[in-house]
Amino acid sequence: KQEVTQIPAALSVPEGENLVLNCSFTDSAIYNLQWFRQDPGKGLTSLLLIQSSQREQTSGRLNASLDKSSGRSTLYIAASQPGDSATYLCAVNPPGSARQLTFGSGTQLTVLP
Amino acid sequence: DGGITQSPKYLFRKEGQNVTLSCEQNLNHDAMYWYRQDPGQGLRLIYYSQIVNDFQKGDIAEGYSVSREKKESFPLTVTSAQKNPTAFYLCASSPRASSHNEQFFGPGTRLTVL
Repeated sequence: KQEVTQIPAALSVPEGENLVLNCSFTDSAIYNLQWFRQDPGKGLTSLLLIQSSQREQTSGRLNASLDKSSGRSTLYIAASQPGDSATYLCAVNPPGSARQLTFGSGTQLTVLP
Repeated sequence: DGGITQSPKYLFRKEGQNVTLSCEQNLNHDAMYWYRQDPGQGLRLIYYSQIVNDFQKGDIAEGYSVSREKKESFPLTVTSAQKNPTAFYLCASSPRASSHNEQFFGPGTRLTVL
């Protein structure tokens, strides 16, 4: 059974710092991986989706990488801002169930002004 | 505006009562999903539907029921058989239930059992 782990569970950084969030998964045979942002009490906002054939995706200050062989993905946030404070979740689309995302428990990010 | 709406935002229920959570989308998406989120945890899939009049159980379907009579609507009923229903419920949709399609989420409904 696919398991997704996100470390650390919480992270606090000063404004302007570059940072990396980590996501690991146990079964490397995935179809795609998606990064989401969740603000307190809100739904999820999709940030980036990486297909299994891709190595990275970029959107503005965000860059997500995927290394299927090692079962890892990272979300890089450049020049962090207080508005980036949120919980970041990664989710993988595992083999044999192309409709079912498996989620990590998230990293709660706080960017201090 | 195109998107996914969920109602109500907050819902309170007495033990033993069934309640229905609404999810509507105007994105013309074929597939819809219901997830449950508990504090400090990721999302777990309850039910999903690929097309109208069809749905499948997810990992934690016990105590829940769904229907998909219209493409744009996928209501979730939390029955009295669900032993621990207090949670945050999220509905999502995707263009079709294939491996490469991105899922989009609604704002969620927070259910509290009193």
